[in-house]
Amino acid sequence: GAGVSQSPRYKVAKRGQDVALRCDPISGHVSLFWYQQALGQGPEFLTYFQNEAQLDKSGLPSDRFFAERPEGSVSTLKIQRTQQEDSAVYLCASSQIGPEDRVYEQYFGPGTRLTVT
Amino acid sequence: QQPVQSPQAVILREGEDAVINCSSSKALYSVHWYRQKHGEAPVFLMILLKGGEQKGHDKISASFNEKKQQSSLYLTASQLSYSGTYFCGTKDQNFVFGPGTRLSVLP
Repeated sequence: GAGVSQSPRYKVAKRGQDVALRCDPISGHVSLFWYQQALGQGPEFLTYFQNEAQLDKSGLPSDRFFAERPEGSVSTLKIQRTQQEDSAVYLCASSQIGPEDRVYEQYFGPGTRLTVT
Repeated sequence: QQPVQSPQAVILREGEDAVINCSSSKALYSVHWYRQKHGEAPVFLMILLKGGEQKGHDKISASFNEKKQQSSLYLTASQLSYSGTYFCGTKDQNFVFGPGTRLSVLP
């Protein structure tokens, strides 16, 4: 019955460091999304998984960003050589999947606030 | 293409009504509405899957006009707990959210 969890909740990284952000979706949810949310903005799509398959990574800002979901449950978003512009809240959401690939309600985790100094 | 939301912000007194609009330059096949309180994750409100569909959730309801490529969220007799930022979202190539409408309900 647990919701989506994310860890860590807060991360401070020095410019150039690598970080790994974890997402535990709701059990049984096939779809998993990663979003980046800047202050005062709406969530911006990064990538989408259906089970272990990464079906869309068009939103990843650069090749420094990498996401995986090897067993179709937990997902990790990795950012290499962090830059100041990577500072944001990173949200994970999971969802069931419906017919015709429709997206049903997304359940969001609390997010990881990344600050790059 | 990101949906457009209006207004950007609205301030209400408790008990007043508000309408938040969401429109797109591309065809909309479904519209989601979420509310996000400061420092918290977005929370799902409702989804409209068919053109012309209207849904209600307590005193919050929404309509979806596929032809006009827009959806509206109606908040009736607003409560303090309605304060937050409201986002509409839709599935394009991927999933896109609007920029949000900040709603403040004052006592």
